[in-house]
Amino acid sequence: EAAVTQSPRNKVAVTGGKVTLSCNQTNNHNNMYWYRQDTGHGLRLIHYSYGAGSTEKGDIPDGYKASRPSQENFSLILELATPSQTSVYFCASGLPGTGNDTQYFGPGTRLLVL
Amino acid sequence: GDSVIQMQGQVTLSENDFLFINCTYSTTGYPTLFWYVQYSGEGPQLLLQVTTANNKGSSRGFEATYDKGTTSFHLQKTSVQEIDSAVYYCAMREDTNAYKVIFGKGTHLHVLP
Repeated sequence: EAAVTQSPRNKVAVTGGKVTLSCNQTNNHNNMYWYRQDTGHGLRLIHYSYGAGSTEKGDIPDGYKASRPSQENFSLILELATPSQTSVYFCASGLPGTGNDTQYFGPGTRLLVL
Repeated sequence: GDSVIQMQGQVTLSENDFLFINCTYSTTGYPTLFWYVQYSGEGPQLLLQVTTANNKGSSRGFEATYDKGTTSFHLQKTSVQEIDSAVYYCAMREDTNAYKVIFGKGTHLHVLP
């Protein structure tokens, strides 16, 4: 049973529209992450969270907001989507500092902004 | 700041060829290094973690080591198979923020039958 799930798996949005990407994990991990994946750039960290109620900026946070309402759920919000945000987005969960540094990734959301 | 550089964007091999992918890292502390693999249509998954210099990590026929002197770490496999075709990412836990992992740009391995 998949421990990190993402919805939707595919999304087409219009420029200027609002987009919300959702992530759910059943690993009971404190930390959750949002990355985007682009050819030539690999995986880049957008936002992350230490636990419910917390969000932290990653390396490329501009144009994105995040929300962590519970241990299990972490959302990525594009208030005003732009074509440059067309990408594949991955959510991950993990327990750093516990001796197990593994990040567990979801299957990804493919976003196209027209 | 901490960084990871993965230069090989694409590697094409034939079955039973030897695989070697190299990354370099920069950090002021003691690195924890990873190799992740991403198969088509899936999210990345951990392949190997290496925490001690010159010690090998191994999994599924892959081996990983790092050299503190040259600040490099590499992934190798003696005989690749078509099912190994995937994107391989080297990564490093950031020294100043243990909650963050820095990923390289990825190496797309294509193994010909």
